[in-house]
Amino acid sequence: GQQVKQSSPSLTVQEGGILILNCDYENDMFDYFAWYKKYPDNSPTLLISVRSNVDKREDGRFTVFLNKSGKHFSLHITASQPEDTAVYLCAAGVGTGSKLSFGKGAKLTVSP
Amino acid sequence: NSKVIQTPRYLVKGQGQKAKMRCIPEKGHPVVFWYQQNKNNEFKFLINFQNQEVLQQIDMTEKRFSAECPSNSPCSLEIQSSEAGDSALYLCASSLSTGNTLYFGEGSRLIVV
Repeated sequence: GQQVKQSSPSLTVQEGGILILNCDYENDMFDYFAWYKKYPDNSPTLLISVRSNVDKREDGRFTVFLNKSGKHFSLHITASQPEDTAVYLCAAGVGTGSKLSFGKGAKLTVSP
Repeated sequence: NSKVIQTPRYLVKGQGQKAKMRCIPEKGHPVVFWYQQNKNNEFKFLINFQNQEVLQQIDMTEKRFSAECPSNSPCSLEIQSSEAGDSALYLCASSLSTGNTLYFGEGSRLIVV
C-alpha cells in the first residue's frame, strides 16, 4: 500500500495568500521528510526537508512542520506567488542514501 | 538543467519486446534510484544501487526487470518483456550516500503498444 498519502490533489490560492499542503505517513521508521516541487515537463526538485529530530524548519516563505505522534507533516507557503504554481510532492525515508516514498502530489495554482 | 542524464527520452515498444533505458548519475553520486511514474502520477520505487551493488528492490523488479550500474558505464534499467501496464515515465535519480536529496533526470517515457 501507499506509505505516504497526500490529501487535496488540487488547490488554488490567490497571489499573496497562505497555503498549507498536508501529508500523512504510515511507517514509524521514517526519519526524513521532504517536499519536492515539480513544474510541467520538468523533473522534481527538492524544495525543503527536515529530519525527525526537529519539528519545524523554515526557509524563506516555506516552512515544513512535522508531527511525529500524528504521523503527519505539512508545507506552509506564505506570500504565494504565481511562480509557486506547480505540483508539490511529499516524500519520506529512513536513514541516508536510501529510497524515498512519495505521495501522489498536489497541484497548486496561484492566481494573480 | 538536470545533471542526471537519461536516455532515450522516449521509446515505443510492442508487447513482449525488450525496453532498455540508461542513466548517467550526477558526478560523485554513488547511489542511483529508479522510479516509475504511472498514469495516476504515483511514484513507484523500483530499485536502487550504491556503486554496483543493489541496495533495495521491489518484487516486480526482481521478476521482469533487470537493472545494473557497472563501473565506468551508464546505469541501465531493462524490461525483459514489455507489457501494456509498463507504459510510464521512468525516472532515474542519484544522491550522496550520506544524504537524502534525490536529483532526478528528466525521465524516459515508455509507451507499450
